[in-house]
Amino acid sequence: GAVVSQHPSRVICKSGTSVKIECRSLDFQATTMFWYRQFPKKSLMLMATSNEGSKATYEQGVEKDKFLINHASLTLSTLTVTSAHPEDSSFYICSARPHGGGLQTQYFGPGTRLLVL
Amino acid sequence: AQRVTQPEKLLSVFKGAPVELKCNYSYSGSPELFWYVQYSRQRLQLLLRHISRESIKGFTADLNKGETSFHLKKPFAQEEDSAMYYCALMAGRRALTFGSGTRLQVQP
Repeated sequence: GAVVSQHPSRVICKSGTSVKIECRSLDFQATTMFWYRQFPKKSLMLMATSNEGSKATYEQGVEKDKFLINHASLTLSTLTVTSAHPEDSSFYICSARPHGGGLQTQYFGPGTRLLVL
Repeated sequence: AQRVTQPEKLLSVFKGAPVELKCNYSYSGSPELFWYVQYSRQRLQLLLRHISRESIKGFTADLNKGETSFHLKKPFAQEEDSAMYYCALMAGRRALTFGSGTRLQVQP
């Protein structure tokens, strides 16, 4: 089946630094990737929709200058948390919709746990 | 705006007992509803979708537009069903809106 990977799986960084998280579709092309954030014991909250070759669409309340998204190819989207602060600590999950696949089809990555000290 | 509500954070049942995980939604149009499951230390994966009207691992879910519900049911729970279950809604071409999730614990 379709596999989505995320790298790194976990990262610890100092406050003020930037962290880049990669989301890759390993065996399919994805024109659309989604970035979610999950707080402990909470649901997944959509942050942004990333479309290959165009600007990401951010959800209300998500700072686009803080959470930079780049979808440069059909198999890779990156989320960069700029000037990270402790409140950015969370579990970040991406999902990918296969090119030519149904709108209902999404495959999820394993997530990246970010801890900002 | 769409919303998905899962009223139970935790549901604990004994093996062999029936299971019903509740999900209610609010959306003005015609939604597409899904159930996702996350087993311990694994990624989120699709369990079933309402348009398929399928039974996966013994689970079924019927969309009730009158009650705006999409409850997940299984007649006889198994220990391997223990996991986190998320109800989700897709409106138009947008991404999924998830409920807060229900942890199912099936005790031996």
